[in-house]
Amino acid sequence: AQSVAQPEDQVNVAEGNPLTVKCTYSVSGNPYLFWYVQYPNRGLQFLLKYITGDNLVKGSYGFEAEFNKSQTSFHLKKPSALVSDSALYFCAVSLHGSSNTGKLIFGQGTTLQVKP
Amino acid sequence: ETGVTQSPTHLIKTRGQQVTLRCSSQSGHNTVSWYQQALGQGPQFIFQYYREEENGRGNFPPRFSGLQFPNYSSELNVNALELDDSALYLCASSLRVAGPVADTQYFGPGTRLTVL
Repeated sequence: AQSVAQPEDQVNVAEGNPLTVKCTYSVSGNPYLFWYVQYPNRGLQFLLKYITGDNLVKGSYGFEAEFNKSQTSFHLKKPSALVSDSALYFCAVSLHGSSNTGKLIFGQGTTLQVKP
Repeated sequence: ETGVTQSPTHLIKTRGQQVTLRCSSQSGHNTVSWYQQALGQGPQFIFQYYREEENGRGNFPPRFSGLQFPNYSSELNVNALELDDSALYLCASSLRVAGPVADTQYFGPGTRLTVL
């Protein structure tokens, strides 16, 4: 079965420090990988995605993510965290293939808390 | 903001009732996916509509049904509501050009359904 794991329920970081939110996946075949952010009482906002090519993907608001096929990981990173980055972050995967609808399989989410 | 709108914002129903949730997709998009997000969980795929036909379904019973209209807007209908149906229902729109690829799904703000 396809699955996504976000091993940390919460990540705490001081403003200005680098942040990492971890994601690992288990799929049969080649995945497409996504990161979304959710602010309180809001829908999900797209940050970035990996399809193919360069393993380092740059996205919105200074976020980037590194695809590591051997470790089946797609960790979200930012060099310098802002208080306004505090939110709930979701990693998601969809699958290649003619039978694939493009449905997203989400992890459980990681709450990022950036303290001033 | 994504341009995906959902109505209503909040809804309270009692067990056994029926509910209809609505979604207007982003301009130019032809595919709509629906997700259920229970409290503290990641979104779960319900189904997807493409060209007015259901194009994939998650592990949800038949009392969850949907429609897509010629203007690509969509409805989610849930019959015989159960307490466990209480959740945030998210609609996402995307553009499918040629076959299932890594369409980026853009989410609306969601409808919060409470079943008493």
